[in-house]
Amino acid sequence: AQTVTQSQPEMSVQEAETVTLSCTYDTSESDYYLFWYKQPPSRQMILVIRQEAYKQQNATENRFSVNFQKAAKSFSLKISDSQLGDAAMYFCAYRFSNTGNQFYFGTGTSLTVIP
Amino acid sequence: EAQVTQNPRYLITVTGKKLTVTCSQNMNHEYMSWYRQDPGLGLRQIYYSMNVEVTDKGDVPEGYKVSRKEKRNFPLILESPSPNQTSLYFCASSLLGPSPYGYTFGSGTRLTVV
Repeated sequence: AQTVTQSQPEMSVQEAETVTLSCTYDTSESDYYLFWYKQPPSRQMILVIRQEAYKQQNATENRFSVNFQKAAKSFSLKISDSQLGDAAMYFCAYRFSNTGNQFYFGTGTSLTVIP
Repeated sequence: EAQVTQNPRYLITVTGKKLTVTCSQNMNHEYMSWYRQDPGLGLRQIYYSMNVEVTDKGDVPEGYKVSRKEKRNFPLILESPSPNQTSLYFCASSLLGPSPYGYTFGSGTRLTVV
């Protein structure tokens, strides 16, 4: 079974500091996609960043970057220079590449940004 | 604008009163799915559809029905809602097949069953 684990239900960070949200997953597949979604209080699900498993280079999107460790099945999200608008629930997700259909989501990490 | 339109945004109903949550996408996506989000449980898939007239159960299908008569629409039907179906519901769509693209989500429906 495919599972996605986010072991930190809640995290907090001081404004302008850096925070890392952890995510591990379990799969027997070799090719897949990984995603981080942000859900602010508006509850809209927003794609933050994605990573293809066949790419060794870690994805980066402005202040957001990932640390993808394929052998360890780890996919952490680093937020640099945290801003008040980063306060949200963050979900890690995994998707097969063979069919590309089924997504598996973690249980989420609630991030608080302290002014 | 490419989007998934989900309605209503909020809904309060009584036990046993049939309801439908609508979902429509304008991106010609083959794949559509319904999720419910509950605290501590993340997003759990209810039903999904890979194309018109093709639907299948997700992880928590009990108490729900769906239909896919048109490619763009994928309504979620609760024929006899119960309080344990109080939740936040999301519709999502994506391209079918291997794709690095994630879901496009609707804006969510907060359902309360009393």
